[in-house]
Amino acid sequence: NAGVTQTPKFQVLKTGQSMTLQCAQDMNHNSMYWYRQDPGMGLRLIYYSASEGTTDKGEVPNGYNVSRLNKREFSLRLESAAPSQTSVYFCASRKGMAGLQPQHFGDGTRLSIL
Amino acid sequence: AQTVTQSQPEMSVQEAETVTLSCTYDTSESNYYLFWYKQPPSRQMILVIRQEAYKQQNATENRFSVNFQKAAKSFSLKISDSQLGDTAMYFCAFIFTENSGAGSYQLTFGKGTKLSVIP
Repeated sequence: NAGVTQTPKFQVLKTGQSMTLQCAQDMNHNSMYWYRQDPGMGLRLIYYSASEGTTDKGEVPNGYNVSRLNKREFSLRLESAAPSQTSVYFCASRKGMAGLQPQHFGDGTRLSIL
Repeated sequence: AQTVTQSQPEMSVQEAETVTLSCTYDTSESNYYLFWYKQPPSRQMILVIRQEAYKQQNATENRFSVNFQKAAKSFSLKISDSQLGDTAMYFCAFIFTENSGAGSYQLTFGKGTKLSVIP
C-alpha cells in the first residue's frame, strides 16, 4: 500500500535551474495538493487540484506551476529556481468532498537551491 | 482571514505522564473541520485525530483526545501515558470552507509545537 509517492526525496539545484517534483497516489483520490514547509512554519498551500482536469492557486503560488496529468499524478514545476524556494515540499491527496476526510501526505522532498 | 495559533513552540513531558498542546483559531464560520497532525523526525505527516465543529462530543483516539471549546475557539490535544514514540512536531490544522474555493478543502496549519518525551 504505497499511498502517496513523491520523487525525488532530495535535490540540490543551482539558482535559475528548472525542476519538476513528481507526485502519484494509488488511492483513487480526487483532490491533490502541493504544500511547502519552512523552518518554524506550518505547511502552506502552493497549488491544488480539486479534481482531474482542474488546478488552482493556493496561498503561495508565485514561482511555481502544476500539472494534473491524470487522476493519479500531480506534478509541481519550478521554472527558474530561487534560493527562497529552498524548502521541504509535500504532496497530499484526499478522497472526496466531505470536510472531515483527511489528507494523506507523501514523505516530502527536501529541495535546496544554491 | 482565518488564523491558527499554536502558542507553545516547544514542550517536554516525562514518559508515562500527560501533556496538553494548545491551539486557538479565529474564524467567523459556524462549521469547519479540525485536525491534529504529527510529524516525527522521519518527516512524515501522520493524522492523529479529527473533529467536526458542529459535533459537541470531543474526539478520542486511544491515548489522544481533544478538548474542543467552540465559543473560546480552542482545540487542544491531550496525550495520555506519553511514550518515546510521541516525540514529534504536532500541528493543528483546519479546513475553513471560506478558504475552500472550487471545492479545495485546503488545510490551514498552525506553526507547530515540538514535543519531546523524556525517558
